[in-house]
Amino acid sequence: EDQVTQSPEALRLQEGESSSLNCSYTVSGLRGLFWYRQDPGKGPEFLFTLYSAGEEKEKERLKATLTKKESFLHITAPKPEDSATYLCAVQAVGGYIFGTGTRLKVLA
Amino acid sequence: EAGVVQSPRYKIIEKKQPVAFWCNPISGHNTLYWYLQNLGQGPELLIRYENEEAVDDSQLPKDRFSAERLKGVDSTLKIQPAELGDSAVYLCASSLVSPETSGRARNEQFFGPGTRLTVL
Repeated sequence: EDQVTQSPEALRLQEGESSSLNCSYTVSGLRGLFWYRQDPGKGPEFLFTLYSAGEEKEKERLKATLTKKESFLHITAPKPEDSATYLCAVQAVGGYIFGTGTRLKVLA
Repeated sequence: EAGVVQSPRYKIIEKKQPVAFWCNPISGHNTLYWYLQNLGQGPELLIRYENEEAVDDSQLPKDRFSAERLKGVDSTLKIQPAELGDSAVYLCASSLVSPETSGRARNEQFFGPGTRLTVL
């Protein structure tokens, strides 16, 4: 059965304290891995797509990487405005599956 | 460019009452999704349309849920009758899905703000 697991469930960082969020997956035929950001009361907002092991994408303080079993979202020197829930999703043969997300809180 | 529009934003109803949600996707997007999101969980797919055809409705509880996508544009999701367990956020998303090339799916989804449903 296709499965997507995100860890940790919640993370509190001080402003400027870099860290990484994890998305591990077990799917049949990965067609793409997607990262989204979701603010309270809003729908998810697309961030990145990754397709192949070794691929990396960057946007401001965020960098997403992909291996054959997991993806990492690295946050460098985060700011309070980076506080949100970060969701990963995979497009596999069986469909599009979201993880449960990591709730990130960055303290000033 | 306008994003995905959903209405209403909030809805409170008594159990056993009907309710309907409306979604207008991004212009030109061929694929539309309805998701259900419970607090602290990721979105769960209810139904996916490619143009006007429902191509994946395997997770839609068909005894009480129905959906339609008129002329391949706007879509409506209906619940009748609503139950207490239906309280959740209902999200609509759209994407421009192009044919896979080399096993890569171009499927970045764009979400509306959601409808928060409370069933009393």
